[in-house]
Amino acid sequence: ILNVEQSPQSLHVQEGDSTNFTCSFPSSNFYALHWYRWETAKSPEALFVMTLNGDEKKKGRISATLNTKEGYSYLYIKGSQPEDSATYLCASVPSGTYKYIFGTGTRLKVLA
Amino acid sequence: SAVISQKPSRDICQRGTSLTIQCQVDSQVTMMFWYRQQPGQSLTLIATANQGSEATYESGFVIDKFPISRPNLTFSTLTVSNMSPEDSSIYLCSVLNYNEQFFGPGTRLTVL
Repeated sequence: ILNVEQSPQSLHVQEGDSTNFTCSFPSSNFYALHWYRWETAKSPEALFVMTLNGDEKKKGRISATLNTKEGYSYLYIKGSQPEDSATYLCASVPSGTYKYIFGTGTRLKVLA
Repeated sequence: SAVISQKPSRDICQRGTSLTIQCQVDSQVTMMFWYRQQPGQSLTLIATANQGSEATYESGFVIDKFPISRPNLTFSTLTVSNMSPEDSSIYLCSVLNYNEQFFGPGTRLTVL
């Protein structure tokens, strides 16, 4: 994998459902993986920063895991709420650089 | 974290005109960046705004098209020159603070 790829591009879930999405990134020369939550007309909000293989982070109903050997991260949302509706971005940071490489995002819509 | 504001939040412009976007940070930061997100694409780094010297542009972006100013450690501008419909995007500024990037709310530009 040369670029950062996110899947799915978009999804609709019902309120109360749990959901997850994937971020794939180049596993070589890896330094860090960032997840952001981006609502329309607002600043992208930092959710997690992960650096170590096997890292798991949690913030309320949202959690994330990291596999640096195979180059993927999962973001999980438990019991989705309408306020979770947003675009979720991941960004990989190669070692030795400050430059973030973003995926195209997963657009989540939670239906009440 | 850093609080970042951008002006304007959105604009609709005519082909061939130029638009200057302002970015203000609530604290002094060393590194500021400008990104754009074209429809359906990932957030892409345009350039690093350097205080007191010329910006550092990424491949595919040039100073004549995207002149950048950085007069001090809290402020930067990005100009989108001689606009065409392909420049319709969301433009975001960001800052690097303690190895994490924080973003402004973006400027949504539509070029007719």
